[in-house]
Amino acid sequence: DSGVTQTPKHLITATGQRVTLRCSPRSGDLSVYWYQQSLDQGLQFLIQYYNGEERAKGNILERFSAQQFPDLHSELNLSSLELGDSALYFCASSVADNANYGYTFGSGTRLTVV
Amino acid sequence: EDQVTQSPEALRLQEGESSSLNCSYTVSGLRGLFWYRQDPGKGPEFLFTLYSAGEEKEKERLKATLTKKESFLHITAPKPEDSATYLCAVRPYGQNFVFGPGTRLSVLP
Repeated sequence: DSGVTQTPKHLITATGQRVTLRCSPRSGDLSVYWYQQSLDQGLQFLIQYYNGEERAKGNILERFSAQQFPDLHSELNLSSLELGDSALYFCASSVADNANYGYTFGSGTRLTVV
Repeated sequence: EDQVTQSPEALRLQEGESSSLNCSYTVSGLRGLFWYRQDPGKGPEFLFTLYSAGEEKEKERLKATLTKKESFLHITAPKPEDSATYLCAVRPYGQNFVFGPGTRLSVLP
């Protein structure tokens, strides 16, 4: 157990729907990062939050949004889902804003859009 | 544009057969190079960070080295439990990680 908790582990939903993925960072970590991993794209950085504020944005679609709450857990909202959004979504956390020593990843949420 | 490539895409070894995985990178300014191990259906697990050319890090049967343009992950006398995908990532200055596509390693008993 890495200490980063992601729920749910699996999610199956239909095209056009909206889902919310949840992440609780490791105790003491203030930064949360979201990544998407698909077979043809590898790990793609989506967005980072540090202590409740958005810090960096990567290849995140406008249909996707995220936030980090005062208790430091984070949620990734995916809307108007398309078949191509099927992927593993990982959350990672680090103590500081800059992750110089690497991240700790959760075990991911597998999203299947049918 | 910052880029990371890894080779080979997949590697099959017999138990005890040593080999190396390659990570080549193009980055404007390197803050660190990271190696991760990923088992199927799991999140990546941190292995090493390398910061400057010439640096080496070791952990059990794994040794990571860094030059100005590439990094190698040497696996000595691998065991079946070393089977996994090995990911390389770079952290450019002022940016988040850029991950490579990974090398799928299979170690046969």
